[in-house]
Amino acid sequence: DSGVTQTPKHLITATGQRVTLRCSPRSGDLSVYWYQQSLDQGLQFLIQYYNGEERAKGNILERFSAQQFPDLHSELNLSSLELGDSALYFCASGGGTYNEQFFGPGTRLTVL
Amino acid sequence: GQQLNQSPQSMFIQEGEDVSMNCTSSSIFNTWLWYKQEPGEGPVLLIALYKAGELTSNGRLTAQFGITRKDSFLNISASIPSDVGIYFCAAPTTSGTYKYIFGTGTRLKVLA
Repeated sequence: DSGVTQTPKHLITATGQRVTLRCSPRSGDLSVYWYQQSLDQGLQFLIQYYNGEERAKGNILERFSAQQFPDLHSELNLSSLELGDSALYFCASGGGTYNEQFFGPGTRLTVL
Repeated sequence: GQQLNQSPQSMFIQEGEDVSMNCTSSSIFNTWLWYKQEPGEGPVLLIALYKAGELTSNGRLTAQFGITRKDSFLNISASIPSDVGIYFCAAPTTSGTYKYIFGTGTRLKVLA
């Protein structure tokens, strides 16, 4: 158990809809990272937050947005969903001396 | 942009055999991380390397930080069926944002 929690575990929705994925980092970690992993693909970095502020952006679509709240949990919002958005979405947290990242169990999103 | 190339892409081995995989880049990195991902789960951090030439073990796993800082190697000795999974290398970009890039992964299958 990495100490990072993600909800929900599975999400099935229709095209055009909007969903929110939630992540709680490990106790004491200030950084939260979001990744997308499509079937049999590697991990694509989406966005990083550090102590409530956006720190780095990757290949995140404009339809996607995220935020980190004062209690350090983070939400990833995906809107106007398309079939191609179906993927595993992982959250990771970090913050040690070398900022290793520890991953949550992921949310499997299926867009029908 | 920065890229991590992993080889081999996949390997089938017999239980008890040793495994070697590597991760290379044209860029220099200050940290190398190795993760293992099992189907439907989040990546789990196996080993972290912080200095060129460093050799670190975690049970049957041994990883090395290449002298040139452009590569890293992971060895698994006496493989067992539960070693099955995808092994990813990761390194932080040198931009100081702690954005990590991940390799393409090595898929390992162990035949009992």
